[in-house]
Amino acid sequence: GAGVSQSPRYKVAKRGQDVALRCDPISGHVSLFWYQQALGQGPEFLTYFQNEAQLDKSGLPSDRFFAERPEGSVSTLKIQRTQQEDSAVYLCASSQSGQGNYGYTFGSGTRLTVV
Amino acid sequence: LAKTTQPISMDSYEGQEVNITCSHNNIATNDYITWYQQFPSQGPRFIIQGYKTKVTNEVASLFIPADRKSSTLSLPRVSLSDTAVYYCLVGDPPGTGGFKTIFGAGTRLFVKA
Repeated sequence: GAGVSQSPRYKVAKRGQDVALRCDPISGHVSLFWYQQALGQGPEFLTYFQNEAQLDKSGLPSDRFFAERPEGSVSTLKIQRTQQEDSAVYLCASSQSGQGNYGYTFGSGTRLTVV
Repeated sequence: LAKTTQPISMDSYEGQEVNITCSHNNIATNDYITWYQQFPSQGPRFIIQGYKTKVTNEVASLFIPADRKSSTLSLPRVSLSDTAVYYCLVGDPPGTGGFKTIFGAGTRLFVKA
């Protein structure tokens, strides 16, 4: 597609519920990133994929967070047993690998509210 | 990873030139400097990237002194629509392993009529 698409745009979850957030990167982009952005803060790195390989997941805040990209394109960020502190905007970005002068292209994010 | 320091906020008026300076004293030899813009309810948008000296595109200019310990984003003749948060990032060139790029809190630019 022309840009990075994320769905749903908004998600309200009851505490303890599992959620799945989807990211459709730009076609052909090898690298995919997930970020978490709390209100009034900058995005914080969660995890990174190169194709289907998850090369770094050090930013995932707990073992309740899980991300996958099984076919090297669409990615899903799953949060199990959501807590109120998980409320944030979850941003997905993709980039061409090996193209040093290209920046990341971000989606508009999924705003998760845990009640 | 090199940490960046930016002003928390800046105010300007339409038509003025705005310069936002970012400090990155611990920048590594291979690090690039990248600036992003973020509007409410949107993801950050790439503005400009550079390694040294000056880079200019249709949106902004980026000035990097020889020691590379700081950089200045210059927005010519800002308009109300330039009101946004601007992030300075330092790290490996995107797409080549800079996946832990640190955004920081950014600079909130408010352009007044």
